[in-house]
Amino acid sequence: NAGVTQTPKFRVLKTGQSMTLLCAQDMNHEYMYWYRQDPGMGLRLIHYSVGEGTTAKGEVPDGYNVSRLKKQNFLLGLESAAPSQTSVYFCASSYNRPNQPQHFGDGTRLSIL
Amino acid sequence: DQQVKQNSPSLSVQEGRISILNCDYTNSMFDYFLWYKKYPAEGPTFLISISSIKDKNEDGRFTVFLNKSAKHLSLHIVPSQPGDSAVYFCAASNNDMRFGAGTRLTVKP
Repeated sequence: NAGVTQTPKFRVLKTGQSMTLLCAQDMNHEYMYWYRQDPGMGLRLIHYSVGEGTTAKGEVPDGYNVSRLKKQNFLLGLESAAPSQTSVYFCASSYNRPNQPQHFGDGTRLSIL
Repeated sequence: DQQVKQNSPSLSVQEGRISILNCDYTNSMFDYFLWYKKYPAEGPTFLISISSIKDKNEDGRFTVFLNKSAKHLSLHIVPSQPGDSAVYFCAASNNDMRFGAGTRLTVKP
């Protein structure tokens, strides 16, 4: 009963390094999302996908790229990490429309030094 | 521009009493509202929702009220239990979903 799985759970990067966060869902959901959570800010949408092969920008997309090559996977990339990208990242999925309840992974805590 | 606001960062209540969590929004185009619950080191989990065509939705101990004219929604938990201690996020949706900053609820035995 995996639901949404995020890899890795923790990571420390140096400024300028790159990395990819992986999200996998086994619920056959069409929509997938990447959020970041910062203190006092709630969850802010970075990018989302409405289906395999599609991606779109959310509220705070700068400095991130995404890919949805397979329906079950949604990758978030940081090409050149900056300290401002230190955050907890959550992936989520929903069956179809964005106002359907979203299922979240347990998050990736990322620190950029 | 924070379109969804939870003005109380924390709330503490006694076990068995009512917990009332509040949320305000600014965008009148939002048509669906949700509450999520989050425990430490876990992702948010969906709790209850309400469509803009309704003013109340109830699920067991949890009731959500929507006041469209005031652009305000609230979550009532009755009776509160220690296991309800968590961070509660409200969210509002139209084409995408916007979240509030969360309210940390502590239910004391």
